[in-house]
Amino acid sequence: GQQLNQSPQSMFIQEGEDVSMNCTSSSIFNTWLWYKQEPGEGPVLLIALYKAGELTSNGRLTAQFGITRKDSFLNISASIPSDVGIYFCAGLNTGTASKLTFGTGTRLQVTL
Amino acid sequence: SAVISQKPSRDICQRGTSLTIQCQVDSQVTMMFWYRQQPGQSLTLIATANQGSEATYESGFVIDKFPISRPNLTFSTLTVSNMSPEDSSIYLCSVEGIGKAAGSYNEQFFGPGTRLTVL
Repeated sequence: GQQLNQSPQSMFIQEGEDVSMNCTSSSIFNTWLWYKQEPGEGPVLLIALYKAGELTSNGRLTAQFGITRKDSFLNISASIPSDVGIYFCAGLNTGTASKLTFGTGTRLQVTL
Repeated sequence: SAVISQKPSRDICQRGTSLTIQCQVDSQVTMMFWYRQQPGQSLTLIATANQGSEATYESGFVIDKFPISRPNLTFSTLTVSNMSPEDSSIYLCSVEGIGKAAGSYNEQFFGPGTRLTVL
């Protein structure tokens, strides 16, 4: 089956630093999504990407849909303590009844 | 957006027993989904629950182990049957949003999850 691998697995950064994480797939997706999950909560959608090469921002977050359609990147600028959580990428192919394939996750810790 | 609640929020169960998890949405939705998140792992889709028809299970998940009900457009249940310690996970329901433009993603909203521990 499809697998989405995220790196790094975890990150420990200081407040104010920028963060980069990526997600790679063994197969093509035509939609890429980035979610954040906090303890005791379900994932919350941060950014959705629909076109190869697309670069989309949501506040301090910027995500890109890779040209090959097999990867995506998420950057967080000027991190703050509330950025702590697990970030998941997810791939979707329209026509598959909205079945999301989630990545392995990147756990982000922000220190003051 | 949709507001989703799940009951129970957590439970500790004995092996061999069954637990039914409820998912309630504050609006009518066509599609509901059930996911499993094993400790420290990602989310894996168990099945798609459609009102008026049987659930569609993903590879590796069967109806006898995870029976699902969908009696109406705002409610679904997932039962974890004959539990073993390997079933210890967070179980999440999600619903697909409505009203998005064609060609865009219909956002899925997730419930807070049910944390299950099987002894």
